Order: sequence, then C-alpha cells, then structure tokens
Amino acid sequence: GAGVSQTPSNKVTEKGKYVELRCDPISGHTALYWYRQSLGQGPEFLIYFQGTGAADDSGLPNDRFFAVRPEGSVSTLKIQRTERGDSAVYLCASSDEGTVPYNEQFFGPGTRLTVL
Amino acid sequence: GNSVTQMEGPVTLSEEAFLTINCTYTATGYPSLFWYVQYPGEGLQLLLKATKADDKGSNKGFEATYRKETTSFHLEKGSVQVSDSAVYFCALDSGGSNYKLTFGKGTLLTVNP
Repeated sequence: GAGVSQTPSNKVTEKGKYVELRCDPISGHTALYWYRQSLGQGPEFLIYFQGTGAADDSGLPNDRFFAVRPEGSVSTLKIQRTERGDSAVYLCASSDEGTVPYNEQFFGPGTRLTVL
Repeated sequence: GNSVTQMEGPVTLSEEAFLTINCTYTATGYPSLFWYVQYPGEGLQLLLKATKADDKGSNKGFEATYRKETTSFHLEKGSVQVSDSAVYFCALDSGGSNYKLTFGKGTLLTVNP
C-alpha cells in the first residue's frame, strides 16, 4: 500500500513569509509525528497527534510553529514569519497504535524547507 | 531528558569488513531502542529494534543488543556490502504511551568495493 507522503518535496520561501507543509499518513494510522532534521543532525521531535488532538507538542520551538490534524488523517505543519534558522528537512511519520507491543513509525520522504 | 550519543563519522570501510557503530543513551524509564537507516535519496527506514534489556535486534545481517548495564546499543555487521552505504541513526522512544523518538546525530557509512 501507499506509504507516508509529504508535499511539497521542496519549498523555498523568503524570510518573514508563512508556509504550510502537508503530511498524508498511511491509511488507518492513528498516530502522527512531525520531526525536524537540520543539516548534519538527527531528526528532532516537534509534535505528536493521537487522532485529531495534539498529545504532545513539547518539541515545537516557539509560537510561530503550529500543526493541525482536523479529521485525524492529513496533518499540516504551519510556520509563521519564517526565519533562516527554520531551514531544515521536515519529516512526518505515522504509526498504528493498535499493534502491540510496539508501534513502528513509518517515515515520509520529508519536505526540504529553505528560507532565504 | 532523553539523549542519544552516537559514534561520529564518517566511517569508510572496504567490502566484507566488520562494522561497529557505537551508540549510548540516557533515558528515564524503560525505552525501546532502534537503529534507523537512510539510504541515499530515500526516507528513514527502521533497520532493527529491541524493546527490553538483553534483547537482540537483527535484520539484513545487522545486529544490536540492548545493554542496560552499559546503556548501549551498538550496531554490528560481520561483512558489509557496498549496498550498506547509508546514514545510520540510533534512537530511543519515551516509553509508556508516547512513542516520540529521540535520535542521535547519525553516522555516515561508505563501503568501497
């Protein structure tokens, strides 16, 4: 079946602009995660959704970052007033929390965001 | 908080050489431990996992053992191939009901023929 998809694959924007990044999880997966991967670093956790609600948003760096998942499927990560330091690859992952004992996270290919 | 320290790369080996990539961690509770791999141009993929102390994860000839006494999860392979060239990430989850992952910085492995 289809894996996790993310659009766009690349996004170039100017400092101060607003961007939206989209994630389509694997159908039926109830959990969805966003991570950010800066150059030369491992992915860093941003936010975790269980269904429609954000169960843990402790990784969002500041209030310019916001994510939604209104119908418990597709999620959008929104960044306001972008800064050059926001440039990174944004990864989305989903998992099926109905499986035990462990819920494997399946990652999308990422969106590479460049803020000029 | 949780953290993962991973052997810095890059690592360059000849085909059929033995591979070890060191990984140590700091965590509260009882995390599960993972190795993820990112092949050139592809997304992150789970390579192997271990969910409790003394468990050994294995896949594609790679192995790692969850050592609670040394807080380590070193990745090994007896004979690497050119196709193993990739970036390898050690990671742990938070345990409990929140499976968010904490990753190491990654180790770039290049295998030459």
